[in-house]
Amino acid sequence: EVQLLESGGGLVQPGGSLRLSCAGSGFTFTNYALTWVRQAPGKGLEWVSAISGSGDSTYYADSVKGRFTISRDNSNSTLFLQMNSLRAEDTAVYYCAKFPCDNTACLGLPFDPWGQGTLVTVSS
Amino acid sequence: SFVLTQPPSVSVAPGLTARIPCGGTNLGSYSVHWYQQKSGQAPILVVYDDNDRPSGIPERFSGSNSGNTATLTINKAEAGDEADYYCQVWDSFSDHVVFGGGTKLTVL
Repeated sequence: EVQLLESGGGLVQPGGSLRLSCAGSGFTFTNYALTWVRQAPGKGLEWVSAISGSGDSTYYADSVKGRFTISRDNSNSTLFLQMNSLRAEDTAVYYCAKFPCDNTACLGLPFDPWGQGTLVTVSS
Repeated sequence: SFVLTQPPSVSVAPGLTARIPCGGTNLGSYSVHWYQQKSGQAPILVVYDDNDRPSGIPERFSGSNSGNTATLTINKAEAGDEADYYCQVWDSFSDHVVFGGGTKLTVL
């Protein structure tokens, strides 16, 4: 069974940093592009970032570009999201999700499955 | 940037058909995916590539996409279908994933 498990969320002050992790299991990790999606409390889904299977190609939403960095450790089947210069509006549940293949052409395909999410709260 | 527009809410009586629209300029030229999110849960994929269903999704769920509007159709709506539904595309011009704002389906 394909599973994704996020961790690393918590309370952080504005301007601070946090690194999220997403552990994958049940599939050959390096063969799949992955993505982060967030959901602010009571709000809709917002795409954050995506990365190819090799890690060579990365994509970012305008709202996080220059502040967040997506990366992956294929040897340990783990996806990361390094979040710097955090703002109150970054408060959200952060989900990782899997594309059905590993290259740029996959980015038009759907995410399935999603992890259960990890909550990030940016507040003083 | 590309924008997907959904109504905030749709209501349907049990046993009838619910239709949830998703609008965007020339949306028919995109592949549209739909996700269901029940309260307190992660989203799940219910329709992909406009009108295909993942395994395990009931046949009551279907989709269409033409012109400027994609539509998720839920036949014989059940109380268990109450959820938020989101449409999604990949905008290759900006290399961005785009979600619609979501539609809350109420079965009453």
